[in-house]
Amino acid sequence: DGGITQSPKYLFRKEGQNVTLSCEQNLNHDAMYWYRQDPGQGLRLIYYSQIVNDFQKGDIAEGYSVSREKKESFPLTVTSAQKNPTAFYLCASSIPFANTGELFFGEGSRLTVL
Amino acid sequence: GNSVTQMEGPVTLSEEAFLTINCTYTATGYPSLFWYVQYPGEGLQLLLKATKADDKGSNKGFEATYRKETTSFHLEKGSVQVSDSAVYFCALSDNAGNMLTFGGGTRLMVKP
Repeated sequence: DGGITQSPKYLFRKEGQNVTLSCEQNLNHDAMYWYRQDPGQGLRLIYYSQIVNDFQKGDIAEGYSVSREKKESFPLTVTSAQKNPTAFYLCASSIPFANTGELFFGEGSRLTVL
Repeated sequence: GNSVTQMEGPVTLSEEAFLTINCTYTATGYPSLFWYVQYPGEGLQLLLKATKADDKGSNKGFEATYRKETTSFHLEKGSVQVSDSAVYFCALSDNAGNMLTFGGGTRLMVKP
């Protein structure tokens, strides 16, 4: 079945460590996105990529990095520079957009910093 | 810039009650409007959408009408079920249709 797979589902990290969250899609979508979700704050865009080997910062990119070497993969690294990394992270993909507006989301990864 | 404001939750209803979740927006131009739903432990999925003024989006008994004069896109359902318990997000797209701006989400809890 087509979809988006995020891993791991739960991740614990010590302060000062970098962690990488995986996002893979087999929908053949060109565009991919990373959002951060905090209680009561909705979704905030971290990074997005509309084509392989290209990506742009979203609203809260500081302390995060991404790569887009393959169409189906868009990993997110949470670096030690991110001051408050404990959150729920959602990856999404879409066909660049043609006004459909539909994003397809993975099930998310919950990161907890100990 | 674009912004979306939703009523704060949680909204707690009994089964078969009428549901309204308010959503208002600020945007330049003519955005498209969306409602997404997030069931416990899952990612978001598109519930319904409207692409121009006075359009009504509908799905699974939920409806929302794009009201340009009041810049609103309120979500309604005539009779909620326990299985509707979830977090609902209102969102809008920019004019190019490339990026979504989400509201803060409203948690709905339906009791039997």
